[in-house]
Amino acid sequence: SQQGEEDPQALSIQEGENATMNCSYKTSINNLQWYRQNSGRGLVHLILIRSNEREKHSGRLRVTLDTSKKSSSLLITASRAADTASYFCATAPNTGTASKLTFGTGTRLQVTL
Amino acid sequence: DGGITQSPKYLFRKEGQNVTLSCEQNLNHDAMYWYRQDPGQGLRLIYYSQIVNDFQKGDIAEGYSVSREKKESFPLTVTSAQKNPTAFYLCASGQGEGGYTFGSGTRLTVV
Repeated sequence: SQQGEEDPQALSIQEGENATMNCSYKTSINNLQWYRQNSGRGLVHLILIRSNEREKHSGRLRVTLDTSKKSSSLLITASRAADTASYFCATAPNTGTASKLTFGTGTRLQVTL
Repeated sequence: DGGITQSPKYLFRKEGQNVTLSCEQNLNHDAMYWYRQDPGQGLRLIYYSQIVNDFQKGDIAEGYSVSREKKESFPLTVTSAQKNPTAFYLCASGQGEGGYTFGSGTRLTVV
């Protein structure tokens, strides 16, 4: 089952612009994570935000979490052509350890020169 | 360097044939996972294992089997019972509540 739904499904921007992707989920979570996937490759972990956190930064990435709305957003500032990839949110349930993640459907980001 | 190795990168299966996808990690992670990804889709969980000699079905386990005899290894067998096996298969490992480390994937095609 797909826990997360990303919005938009696809996004095309020019280099230097900011890119914002949104994720909505359905059940209570322990944490929410964002991953990047280049075409035909495995996923790379970008950032993790816990359920008691509201905002987190890592380099050009900014993640927010609103547990009351069951939603998260990923902002990539000053985008580069190398940011072109698919981005997925994944949620860890609020039970146990070594939690199995449930992934969303992804946002395909295209950054043009 | 620590990481996850999946092999082969490309695999072709004939109708009615079983094939096994390899996944090896040297990260000393307790948990390992297998996901399936179809074109333009998200990831769906096939099987996962939180400890050696134990594994659990995910959301789409039918037609697949796994084993976890060693901490480092979590092979996935796609059996003839899986009627639509053409997909991109991703193996991952994790420890505690942190993020996963993924392998580079195996693309399976039925010929």
